Amino acid sequence: DAMVIQNPRYQVTQFGKPVTLSCSQTLNHNVMYWYQQKSSQAPKLLFHYYDKDFNNEADTPDNFQSRRPNTSFCFLDIRSPGLGDAAMYLCATSRSTGGRLNTEAFFGQGTRLTVV
Amino acid sequence: TQLLEQSPQFLSIQEGENLTVYCNSSSVFSSLQWYRQEPGEGPVLLVTVVTGGEVKKLKRLTFQFGDARKDSSLHITAAQPGDTGLYLCAGAKSGNTPLVFGKGTRLSVIA
Repeated sequence: DAMVIQNPRYQVTQFGKPVTLSCSQTLNHNVMYWYQQKSSQAPKLLFHYYDKDFNNEADTPDNFQSRRPNTSFCFLDIRSPGLGDAAMYLCATSRSTGGRLNTEAFFGQGTRLTVV
Repeated sequence: TQLLEQSPQFLSIQEGENLTVYCNSSSVFSSLQWYRQEPGEGPVLLVTVVTGGEVKKLKRLTFQFGDARKDSSLHITAAQPGDTGLYLCAGAKSGNTPLVFGKGTRLSVIA
């Protein structure tokens, strides 16, 4: 059974039209991450939630926002998608204690975003 | 600048051959992880190494963490077509920093 579920698997959006990607988990993990992975590149961390605390990476564009309404769900909002935002977006979770983040991460299947 | 350098970038071998892929850095990591990612899917964790010099085995896969905790290797014995995929290493420099990933080694095992 899938433990980290991302919807949709494929998303096509128009240039400049806001889009939301969703992630849900059944693991009850307290940390959730959003990564962006472009073709032939490493997954790049955009931001993560440690419990309710939001942690933005310094180089994540303002165009990317996130919401975590409860433990199970996390959303990635792209306010004005550009052609350069086309990528695979990966959600991951981990169970972390004492502020430690370098624990095993469980990934969803990803959402492949196309911008037209 | 890529914090974790993986080599080779691409590798194509025949079924039954052995191979080693590498993950190198100039930085010290508190832990390193190896993931396998298939096309159109998310990465799946294979192993975590935390102690310098540590060796872990997972069936035909052998993972080693360098003594100085700056590098790691993955050795596959008698590769099979099912081993095909993108192998990613990921590391955390300290306990409260998120994982950073290398670009991966794309392995193709031909029957």
